[in-house]
Amino acid sequence: KAGVTQTPRYLIKTRGQQVTLSCSPISGHRSVSWYQQTPGQGLQFLFEYFSETQRNKGNFPGRFSGRQFSNSRSEMNVSTLELGDSALYLCASSLPLGGYGYTFGSGTRLTVV
Amino acid sequence: AQKITQTQPGMFVQEKEAVTLDCTYDTSDQSYGLFWYKQPSSGEMIFLIYQGSYDEQNATEGRYSLNFQKARKSANLVISASQLGDSAMYFCAMREGTGANSKLTFGKGITLSVRP
Repeated sequence: KAGVTQTPRYLIKTRGQQVTLSCSPISGHRSVSWYQQTPGQGLQFLFEYFSETQRNKGNFPGRFSGRQFSNSRSEMNVSTLELGDSALYLCASSLPLGGYGYTFGSGTRLTVV
Repeated sequence: AQKITQTQPGMFVQEKEAVTLDCTYDTSDQSYGLFWYKQPSSGEMIFLIYQGSYDEQNATEGRYSLNFQKARKSANLVISASQLGDSAMYFCAMREGTGANSKLTFGKGITLSVRP
């Protein structure tokens, strides 16, 4: 079966712009979580969505937001981009309770210039 | 305090030898899960192995095994018969809580280089 699909793979944006990243989970997985990976901070949890509802949120400013659609696909949005937002953004899909494991996509590498 | 600690500097191993990657964790939960992921230079996080806190047996998945020592709060990954393709970053992660409050907390990762 198809894995977790993240689009786009690479993105270059200018400071102050906004960006939307997309994540399509594994069929049957209803939970989608997002992580930011930077060399300095490592992997940090952004938020998790289940059944179109955000049910857990990490310690990120309000510029970071997300949503989930009825088909479980999820988007995350970053507004007013800053240089420090340059990172690899990974999404993971899982069964509702986290279950056996989280399956990650290949990530979107965002560069803010 | 860090929840997941991976303190080894870059690790090197000879092809076909075994290697152990260390991970210690900190939690007050009784129910938690421990994961190891591999991240090659492409960026994708590849699931390797899982150990539940109530599992009495150490988890194994092919060449990967998890040396789970609950009292010491350690969950070391053992890779047997290393292959060149094992060269990558390796992350230990912990899931605490269940349902709405569960999330993964990652360690800083360890770089493994396999020498031919």
